[in-house]
Amino acid sequence: QLVLTQSPSASASLGASVKLTCTLSSGHSGYAIAWHQHQPEKGPRYLMRVNSDGSQYKGDGIPDRFSGSSSGAERYLTISSLRSEDEADFYCQTWDTGSVLFGGGTKLTVL
Amino acid sequence: EVQLLESGGGLRQPGGSLRLSCAASGFTFSYYAMTWVRQAPGKGLQWVSTISGNDGSTYYADSVQGRFTVSRDNSKNMLFLQMNSLRAEDTAVYYCAKHDGGGIYSLDYWGQGNLVTVSS
Repeated sequence: QLVLTQSPSASASLGASVKLTCTLSSGHSGYAIAWHQHQPEKGPRYLMRVNSDGSQYKGDGIPDRFSGSSSGAERYLTISSLRSEDEADFYCQTWDTGSVLFGGGTKLTVL
Repeated sequence: EVQLLESGGGLRQPGGSLRLSCAASGFTFSYYAMTWVRQAPGKGLQWVSTISGNDGSTYYADSVQGRFTVSRDNSKNMLFLQMNSLRAEDTAVYYCAKHDGGGIYSLDYWGQGNLVTVSS
């Protein structure tokens, strides 16, 4: 069964970097995922797609501070030079025949 | 510029019906798959339903199968979600979102959301 697993929370200091992880369930390490940022009272925003080979395809206007990578069944979102406005919930998303799947989300706190 | 604007939310009693609409602009609507996603209070994002762009195939989460119907009017660039037999657990903000292709792939644009409350 295809499942995406994310840590519920993460925190990092202003100006620092943070790496969020999304883990694909066993047998699904070849799947691509997408990262989305969801700030309170707003619609989610697509950040990028990360393929199993680590290639990434960013959404319109996504700054270079946001980058994606991959290792085995793990897909990563790294945010560098953290700003207060980066504080949000981050979701990974994937897809299979006839369905869309989300991870549980990671709440990022910028200290 | 891609824009997605949901409307039609509101308060309904359990067992009632509601139709959500999503007006799309800024892209060739007929080509792309479209999806409804919801977020219940205090919960994460949950996929609800998808309609493909290439052949209009429809897909549903188990929790809404048989109660919700997704449709699209490509002549008017509109996406719809007909919600019947509403339950308290359907209370959520509903988002429409665009896929980055005719089939089910990444979601690359989202609407601002529309609140649906099911309560007596």
